[in-house]
Amino acid sequence: GIQVEQSPPDLILQEGANSTLRCNFSDSVNNLQWFHQNPWGQLINLFYIPSGTKQNGRLSATTVATERYSLLYISSSQTTDSGVYFCAVRSNDYKLSFGAGTTVTVRA
Amino acid sequence: DGGITQSPKYLFRKEGQNVTLSCEQNLNHDAMYWYRQDPGQGLRLIYYSQIVNDFQKGDIAEGYSVSREKKESFPLTVTSAQKNPTAFYLCASSKQYSYEQYFGPGTRLTVT
Repeated sequence: GIQVEQSPPDLILQEGANSTLRCNFSDSVNNLQWFHQNPWGQLINLFYIPSGTKQNGRLSATTVATERYSLLYISSSQTTDSGVYFCAVRSNDYKLSFGAGTTVTVRA
Repeated sequence: DGGITQSPKYLFRKEGQNVTLSCEQNLNHDAMYWYRQDPGQGLRLIYYSQIVNDFQKGDIAEGYSVSREKKESFPLTVTSAQKNPTAFYLCASSKQYSYEQYFGPGTRLTVT
């Protein structure tokens, strides 16, 4: 199956800092989603971005499908940004394959 | 409100008992999915269903069973054959032919 690698595994930020999370995948994909898992376990959809660039407030994402990677940018981080960020991809079947996640801690 | 509901939020069972986790959606989505998450790890697919009365095994189906008798509902049974059932279980749904999945709040199952 398709392999998904996320880096870094852990990230500690001071409030107001910017950061970049990376997702590498091993095969061509027709779906890529970024999720934020909050402390209660809920997975929040951030972006559906199989290719190109999207922005939503302080978050933006870029997927370069031909080079098999995606980046999630967090600008002016806030304590509410803390949690685990997952990248998930889908190839030709119906399942999403998840990376192991990046745990982000934003300190006040 | 449209969304996916899972119940209960926390579930405790004794080893050897079967337990059924509920997942309901009112988004009119055709496809539904069950995932398992263990501490510090990503999600792994247990079962999925693209249409009513049809479902397929995912990567870790052993010890689990599902049914899809209604479009809105996709219950998951964790059987006594599942060797390590303690985990966080998440249900998701998507529109037919859409690749974007939406997740419910999850059920934390503890088996002792």
